[in-house]
Amino acid sequence: DTEVTQTPKHLVMGMTNKKSLKCEQHMGHRAMYWYKQKAKKPPELMFVYSYEKLSINESVPSRFSPECPNSSLLNLHLHALQPEDSALYLCASSHLVTGELFFGEGSRLTVL
Amino acid sequence: ILNVEQSPQSLHVQEGDSTNFTCSFPSSNFYALHWYRWETAKSPEALFVMTLNGDEKKKGRISATLNTKEGYSYLYIKGSQPEDSATYLCASRNFGNEKLTFGTGTRLTIIP
Repeated sequence: DTEVTQTPKHLVMGMTNKKSLKCEQHMGHRAMYWYKQKAKKPPELMFVYSYEKLSINESVPSRFSPECPNSSLLNLHLHALQPEDSALYLCASSHLVTGELFFGEGSRLTVL
Repeated sequence: ILNVEQSPQSLHVQEGDSTNFTCSFPSSNFYALHWYRWETAKSPEALFVMTLNGDEKKKGRISATLNTKEGYSYLYIKGSQPEDSATYLCASRNFGNEKLTFGTGTRLTIIP
């Protein structure tokens, strides 16, 4: 069983919708990550939060808006997405020192 | 730009045989090399985090070596079993950077 929980597992949305992906961990990790993964491509880093502050934004379009309400939760707010944003969105957390990532199972997003 | 490459892209191995595959990464400013196993419909799971040149780590039938001077790591699986079927991802991290850059993975299929 994964210790990083992502919801929903599947999401279908239109280009005008507003939705959110949620991620939760209770391992006391202080770094949390959003990755985007398209078929046959490596996971691509989107955002990193360190101690609840955004530390890395990999030039992600503003239609993706991350939020870290507390040390256990990470959200990804989605608005006005494009069909090419359809992908698997993976959340991960890590203890800052080791950097080993603990992943959720991902949220499969389809934008129509 | 950090470019991580893995070979082969896919591999079919008879049950009981041993196998290995490669991860190459830029050696300058190297900090750590990660290996993950990603089974279908599950979350990626960390196998090893390696930092020292010449390091060798082992977990059961799986082991990995690291050469930071020439920028490569090998993953070995001894006596392959059907449950070893998965995509194996490596990822590299530079000094002073929380970002892990992933390779595209090696998809391993064990033939019973």
